[in-house]
Amino acid sequence: AQTVTQSQPEMSVQEAETVTLSCTYDTSENNYYLFWYKQPPSRQMILVIRQEAYKQQNATENRFSVNFQKAAKSFSLKISDSQLGDTAMYFCAFMKHEYTDKLIFGTGTRLQVFP
Amino acid sequence: GAVVSQHPSWVICKSGTSVKIECRSLDFQATTMFWYRQFPKQSLMLMATSNEGSKATYEQGVEKDKFLINHASLTLSTLTVTSAHPEDSSFYICSASVGLTTDTQYFGPGTRLTVL
Repeated sequence: AQTVTQSQPEMSVQEAETVTLSCTYDTSENNYYLFWYKQPPSRQMILVIRQEAYKQQNATENRFSVNFQKAAKSFSLKISDSQLGDTAMYFCAFMKHEYTDKLIFGTGTRLQVFP
Repeated sequence: GAVVSQHPSWVICKSGTSVKIECRSLDFQATTMFWYRQFPKQSLMLMATSNEGSKATYEQGVEKDKFLINHASLTLSTLTVTSAHPEDSSFYICSASVGLTTDTQYFGPGTRLTVL
């Protein structure tokens, strides 16, 4: 069975600084997807970034980038130039690369951005 | 972008009554929809996977007879909490996948259920 672990329950960062959120996972699959989702106080889940395991290049989306280490089964999220609007819960998620499958979420990291 | 709505956004009901929550994909057809439950300050827990025109697949430990899921069309799935009790109070979230694969999912805004 696949598991996703987020070891940082809470993180804080000052506005304009950089912060990295950690995520590790366990799987015997070779091909899969990894995701970071953001859940702001409104509780609307928003996809931040996704990575396909067969792609060696780390995904980036504007200020968000990942450090994907397949051998280490690590998938961290770096947020550059943090903004107040980045304050949210961040969930790391795993999905097998199959026709249809489900998301497996980590326990989440609560990020607070201070002015 | 793809939009998923949920109705109602919040509901309060008395213990023993049933509550129906709707999940709609507004601008795309969703072959597969997912229902999650989220307790305060916790992660999302998948309850069931719903495919249009077929019976839902429930996760282990989720009572099928208590949480009835119907996916009658490509744009609508419903979750009915039957004979609700205070322990069913939670935040319920649905997601819908675009196309025939489920790697791209869009989430609804959630429904807060409070059972008195």
